Amino acid sequence: DAMVIQNPRYQVTQFGKPVTLSCSQTLNHNVMYWYQQKSSQAPKLLFHYYDKDFNNEADTPDNFQSRRPNTSFCFLDIRSPGLGDAAMYLCATSGRQRGPTNEQFFGPGTRLTVL
Amino acid sequence: AQTVTQSQPEMSVQEAETVTLSCTYDTSESNYYLFWYKQPPSRQMILVIRQEAYKQQNATENRFSVNFQKAAKSFSLKISDSQLGDTAMYFCAFMKQRNTGNQFYFGTGTSLTVIP
Repeated sequence: DAMVIQNPRYQVTQFGKPVTLSCSQTLNHNVMYWYQQKSSQAPKLLFHYYDKDFNNEADTPDNFQSRRPNTSFCFLDIRSPGLGDAAMYLCATSGRQRGPTNEQFFGPGTRLTVL
Repeated sequence: AQTVTQSQPEMSVQEAETVTLSCTYDTSESNYYLFWYKQPPSRQMILVIRQEAYKQQNATENRFSVNFQKAAKSFSLKISDSQLGDTAMYFCAFMKQRNTGNQFYFGTGTSLTVIP
């Protein structure tokens, strides 16, 4: 089945130690998103890629970076994780801008713990 | 800026009964989409129902329907004949179209518990 896959499902890192979360998709969607979701809060958009074009949200800290080497993969890099970065990180994809394929398809998320 | 407000952090409903989850939003966009997403415990988020703002007719998907009031910027979700599997966090989302990729904004969610 076409889907959005996130690895790992659970990630533990140490304060200040760089960590990378990965997302892959078999939907061939051109848009990929990264969200941060803290407990009992709404998913917060960090950035998204439209094809190869990177779009950062204005309030996303510089500590968060992203890479999209090809259509299928997208990575979230946290350069120096702080305790406040502990959260669920959701990857989502979306198809072409117009038409019925404007919903988002979500991965299962990666829960990040910072020690 | 777009804001999405869900004023009911938690709700419960008896199995087989009907429940309505509320959502309001604020935007200056004239064309947009609205969604309800469901996030079951420890499972991924899935789409429940979608509404195009230019359509006056309320969307329905089996037991799920919406009451879309564009002038009031209100978008509530009605679940009929509630089932145990409906227990989940429900998020209302607003989408605006952009040439650089559609942008989505989520409410804080409503935790729904269906009681046997």
